Amino acid sequence: DAGVTQSPTHLIKTRGQQVTLRCSPKSGHDTVSWYQQALGQGPQFIFQYYEEEERQRGNFPDRFSGHQFPNYSSELNVNALLLGDSALYLCASSYTGTGTEQYFGPGTRLTVT
Amino acid sequence: GIQVEQSPPDLILQEGANSTLRCNFSDSVNNLQWFHQNPWGQLINLFYIPSGTKQNGRLSATTVATERYSLLYISSSQTTDSGVYFCAVRSSYKLIFGSGTRLLVRP
Repeated sequence: DAGVTQSPTHLIKTRGQQVTLRCSPKSGHDTVSWYQQALGQGPQFIFQYYEEEERQRGNFPDRFSGHQFPNYSSELNVNALLLGDSALYLCASSYTGTGTEQYFGPGTRLTVT
Repeated sequence: GIQVEQSPPDLILQEGANSTLRCNFSDSVNNLQWFHQNPWGQLINLFYIPSGTKQNGRLSATTVATERYSLLYISSSQTTDSGVYFCAVRSSYKLIFGSGTRLLVRP
């Protein structure tokens, strides 16, 4: 049973550039959430996708956008990168039917220089 | 919004010792999860425990929802238990995380 997968593992970008991160949910899951974890802090919720729509959004600017595909996989896009966007980006999946427990992928570590 | 506080922030143990980690939350919740984050950043699910007590090997957890706290017990700690332990509660669709307890188990 494949768990949540994310790509790439690491990424280095320059200020002002754009980045796309990818996530495939755990088998049987239909909901994907994205979190940002700065060094030394707990993860912060960015948004959640269900049925290819953004269902809830955290306190992040519009530079952060996402997409969910019919196969439930998801992308996180960040435009006009800032130094402060450097963080570990975590994807979590869950099954809406049971509503609750979220499982996390290994994360993508983004460095903005 | 809901506030989640974890204590202690840091903990150093000798291998074989027992420990208790605490998670307080400011409002009633219907979903609480405990995670272990390894040195590579992977969040590993330990418990989904909105209420009651669960055990898994050397780890156990108790959530008293009416008093708004949860406890994670680690018995006979091993060096591989080192890392950061997070509790997270659900608010609407999102998880709200505490700031974590950083555990170091020395051989």
